[in-house]
Amino acid sequence: EDKVVQSPLSLVVHEGDTVTLNCSYEVTNFRSLLWYKQEKKAPTFLFMLTSSGIEKKSGRLSSILDKKELFSILNITATQTGDSAVYLCAVEGLLEYGNKLVFGAGTILRVKS
Amino acid sequence: DVKVTQSSRYLVKRTGEKVFLECVQDMDHENMFWYRQDPGLGLRLIYFSYDVKMKEKGDIPEGYSVSREKKERFSLILESASTNQTSMYLCASSLTIFRAGGYTFGSGTRLTVV
Repeated sequence: EDKVVQSPLSLVVHEGDTVTLNCSYEVTNFRSLLWYKQEKKAPTFLFMLTSSGIEKKSGRLSSILDKKELFSILNITATQTGDSAVYLCAVEGLLEYGNKLVFGAGTILRVKS
Repeated sequence: DVKVTQSSRYLVKRTGEKVFLECVQDMDHENMFWYRQDPGLGLRLIYFSYDVKMKEKGDIPEGYSVSREKKERFSLILESASTNQTSMYLCASSLTIFRAGGYTFGSGTRLTVV
């Protein structure tokens, strides 16, 4: 059975701290791993990772994938209160006629000022 | 920008009612998905569709059905709503299987069954 496990489930930090969110997976016919940020509404896209060892960066956020060990991390440096959200990891598996996303439970991040 | 529109943000329905949740996308995406999101469980796939009139069960299809009569519209149906179907429902669409990623989500429908 396909599964995606995120840790920690929740995290409280102070502004300026650096956080690391973890995502491990077991998904058939891996296609890509995606990170999303969800505040009050729809998840918004952060990164898509398909190759091992290549870091993707966007401002203070970065992410990397290890396809051998089947995990990914999302780093946020110099956290701000606006980073408070649920961070979702999803893994895309390729099926015969299409693709399917399997989500982890999410990590709830709260950044205190 | 691709838009995925869910017809209702909030719905309150009674136990036993038949409920329709509508989702429309405007970019000719082939794949469409319905998820429900519950605290501590993340997003779980209910049903998905690769093309018009095609549907596949996801991980938790019990108590739900879907309809895709047109490419742009994917409807989720709760045949007889129950209180354990109180949840946030998210619709998503994506491009063809030939391109990874590219998912767009709707804003969600928060359904309460009383």
